[in-house]
Amino acid sequence: TQLLEQSPQFLSIQEGENLTVYCNSSSVFSSLQWYRQEPGEGPVLLVTVVTGGEVKKLKRLTFQFGDARKDSSLHITAAQPGDTGLYLCAGMDSSYKLIFGSGTRLLVRP
Amino acid sequence: DTAVSQTPKYLVTQMGNDKSIKCEQNLGHDTMYWYKQDSKKFLKIMFSYNNKELIINETVPNRFSPKSPDKAHLNLHINSLELGDSAVYFCASSPRIILNYGYTFGSGTRLTVV
Repeated sequence: TQLLEQSPQFLSIQEGENLTVYCNSSSVFSSLQWYRQEPGEGPVLLVTVVTGGEVKKLKRLTFQFGDARKDSSLHITAAQPGDTGLYLCAGMDSSYKLIFGSGTRLLVRP
Repeated sequence: DTAVSQTPKYLVTQMGNDKSIKCEQNLGHDTMYWYKQDSKKFLKIMFSYNNKELIINETVPNRFSPKSPDKAHLNLHINSLELGDSAVYFCASSPRIILNYGYTFGSGTRLTVV
């Protein structure tokens, strides 16, 4: 069974701080997706990275796919309270299953 | 104009009952999925249908039976509900099962078995 471990599990920071969330696996994925989920709602896609070493930016969010396509990171610059939520990474395996990570709960305090 | 809609939003039922959750997408996507999210927020795939055909069937008890009458609908029927079935169930869709398209999720159905 392929596993995606996210760290940290919980993160509470002050508005304006920077943070990085990590997503690691021993398996290779054809792509890696990041989602954000808010209470009472389903996950919402933030980005998909496909190529090893790929970096994508979405305003203050920077996503990177590891060279070996086994890991990824999400960096948020100058976090805002609106960034609060559950961040989930998800990898597409060779049988086209999207496997989700264990999640990182982020709280940004005003 | 909801993209993926699930009903009901909340479902409270007694052990042993049979219940269904309905899902519809208006995105024209070919592939639909059911995921289960446990109390620790871990999302696990249950089923996937591509153009009404079952593609992925994870290790899920036989009491769970998906049905796709057409590619815009994927319903989940659960027989003989057990306490351990309590969770949030999410329906999702994607344009195609292959390649790397992101999924669009519904807002979930919180099932509580008492």
